[in-house]
Amino acid sequence: EDQVTQSPEALRLQEGESSSLNCSYTVSGLRGLFWYRQDPGKGPEFLFTLYSAGEEKEKERLKATLTKKESFLHITAPKPEDSATYLCAVHSYSSASKIIFGSGTRLSIRP
Amino acid sequence: SAVISQKPSRDICQRGTSLTIQCQVDSQVTMMFWYRQQPGQSLTLIATANQGSEATYESGFVIDKFPISRPNLTFSTLTVSNMSPEDSSIYLCSVEQAGGTDTQYFGPGTRLTVL
Repeated sequence: EDQVTQSPEALRLQEGESSSLNCSYTVSGLRGLFWYRQDPGKGPEFLFTLYSAGEEKEKERLKATLTKKESFLHITAPKPEDSATYLCAVHSYSSASKIIFGSGTRLSIRP
Repeated sequence: SAVISQKPSRDICQRGTSLTIQCQVDSQVTMMFWYRQQPGQSLTLIATANQGSEATYESGFVIDKFPISRPNLTFSTLTVSNMSPEDSSIYLCSVEQAGGTDTQYFGPGTRLTVL
């Protein structure tokens, strides 16, 4: 069964303090791994799709990386506006169009 | 990416009633999905709605409770029937755009509270 585990559940950082969020996955053939940002009361906002081990993508202060077992979302010099819940999801070849979401990491950046 | 809207954005309903949520997309899409996000939880897929065919429901979700319509390639509705307080959640629709990226884009959600 496909599984996605995110850690930590919550992370509080000082403005400018870089860190990483982890997404560990177990799937029967990875078709794609997705990162989303979700603000309270809103729908998830798409950030990145990664397809193969070694792939990296960047957007502003965020960089996503992928290995065969996990993905990291690195946040460099975060600002208070980066505070949100970050969701990881995976799509496997055995699941048609269904994607499985992790439980998310709640990131809080203090000014 | 597609622009997705949902109506209503929020509602407060009485136990035993039904609510229909609308999802409108600004471009034609084949795959549309309905998710539930209970308070403090992550997203759970309710069903996949393809135009021209019956919706496919995930384990734990049934058509009598969550009937879905998909009349065309830009619109879908989800009805939450015979509601109870346990149905209080955010309901989200998403679309998978053509082009082979498999990426899903989400609407803003409908926040439902059942009293």
